Amino acid sequence: EAGVAQSPRYKIIEKRQSVAFWCNPISGHATLYWYQQILGQGPKLLIQFQNNGVVDDSQLPKDRFSAERLKGVDSTLKIQPAKLEDSAVYLCASSRDRTTYEQYFGPGTRLTVT
Amino acid sequence: AQSVAQPEDQVNVAEGNPLTVKCTYSVSGNPYLFWYVQYPNRGLQFLLKYITGDNLVKGSYGFEAEFNKSQTSFHLKKPSALVSDSALYFCAVRDLNDYKLSFGAGTTVTVRA
Repeated sequence: EAGVAQSPRYKIIEKRQSVAFWCNPISGHATLYWYQQILGQGPKLLIQFQNNGVVDDSQLPKDRFSAERLKGVDSTLKIQPAKLEDSAVYLCASSRDRTTYEQYFGPGTRLTVT
Repeated sequence: AQSVAQPEDQVNVAEGNPLTVKCTYSVSGNPYLFWYVQYPNRGLQFLLKYITGDNLVKGSYGFEAEFNKSQTSFHLKKPSALVSDSALYFCAVRDLNDYKLSFGAGTTVTVRA
C-alpha cells in the first residue's frame, strides 16, 4: 500500500509571495488533514476534509491560507501572501474515515519564508 | 479544550537501558491517546494507541505505554533502548466527541552506543 505523498519536499520563497502544496492520500482514505509543524512544536491541525467537504477549519488563517479537495482525493494547500511566521513543515495525513483512530502522515513540505 | 504536555524536551539514555518518555493529558471526557515517532526528514509514524481496556498497551518496535487515569498520564516505555530509537516522539490526545488530534511539543530521544 502506497503511503501519503506530498510535494514539493522543500520550498523557499520570499515574504508576500504565494506558494502551494500538494497531497495525495492513501487510496480509499476518506479523511484528509493538513497540519502545520513549527520548529520545536507539535503539529497543529489547520484543516480537515471528509471526502471533498470541510469538517474543521477553525485553526486555518483564512485571510491568507486556503485549501481544497475538489474530487475527494488529492488536496492542495495554498498560502497567499506568505509571512515570515509561516516558515514551518506542512504535513498531510489521511485516515479511512473520521472515526478511524490512526492517521497516516506524509513526509511533509518544509517551507522557508525569507 | 484538550491538551497534552511532554515535560521533557530531551531524554538521553545508553543503549540497552530502559527508556521512558513522559506524557500527561487534559481532556473533558474519556481520552483516546496516541504515540507517534518522527525520524529526520520523514513524516510521523504511528507507534501505539490507547482507546479502552487494558491500561498497558503494546505497540510497534518493542514500545509500550501505560495509561494511568488518576495521574492523567500515558508514558511511553521500552525495556531496552536501541541507537535506532533516537528520534522525536510525540504524544497526542483526542476527546471521545472531537475527532481532532492535539499533539504535545515533542521529546527528542537520543540513545548513545
